[in-house]
Amino acid sequence: GIQVEQSPPDLILQEGANSTLRCNFSDSVNNLQWFHQNPWGQLINLFYIPSGTKQNGRLSATTVATERYSLLYISSSQTTDSGVYFCAVSISGGYNKLIFGAGTRLAVHP
Amino acid sequence: KAGVTQTPRYLIKTRGQQVTLSCSPISGHRSVSWYQQTPGQGLQFLFEYFSETQRNKGNFPGRFSGRQFSNSRSEMNVSTLELGDSALYLCASSSEGAGANVLTFGAGSRLTVL
Repeated sequence: GIQVEQSPPDLILQEGANSTLRCNFSDSVNNLQWFHQNPWGQLINLFYIPSGTKQNGRLSATTVATERYSLLYISSSQTTDSGVYFCAVSISGGYNKLIFGAGTRLAVHP
Repeated sequence: KAGVTQTPRYLIKTRGQQVTLSCSPISGHRSVSWYQQTPGQGLQFLFEYFSETQRNKGNFPGRFSGRQFSNSRSEMNVSTLELGDSALYLCASSSEGAGANVLTFGAGSRLTVL
């Protein structure tokens, strides 16, 4: 089945720093989403981005489908950005069966 | 617009018991999918229901089952609980349509099996 690899596994930042999270996937996908899981376990959808670039405030994401990777950019990080960031994909015919990466655990210190 | 509601939020069971978890999707969403999250295995897909039909199924034993009602609410059941079933169970709903396969997750049901 399709493999999803995220890097780095852990990231520690000072408030105000920028960061880039990467997601590599092993096959063509028709759905790619980035999620943030807060310390209480709630998964929040950040981007639906099977291809192209999107921006939402301090966050932006780019997916290069032909090269099978996606990047999540966090600028001017804040302590509230702490948590785990997941990339999840599905393949054609997979409907809403998302395959999740192992996540990047981000800690932002004041 | 109300989000995805999962009940109960926390529960404790003992081995051998069974458990039923409930998920109410966002109004108008007809797809409900379930995921299990554990420290060792991460987030894994359990199954998905659309218009009361199971549309996809993950690699879990038959002890894990689910259903969806005509109002799109869904339940999942785990029978003969094992210690390894302790996990956060997450439900997500999605509308269907052009570019609309965005999953919105509930807050989860945290199950502890003793």
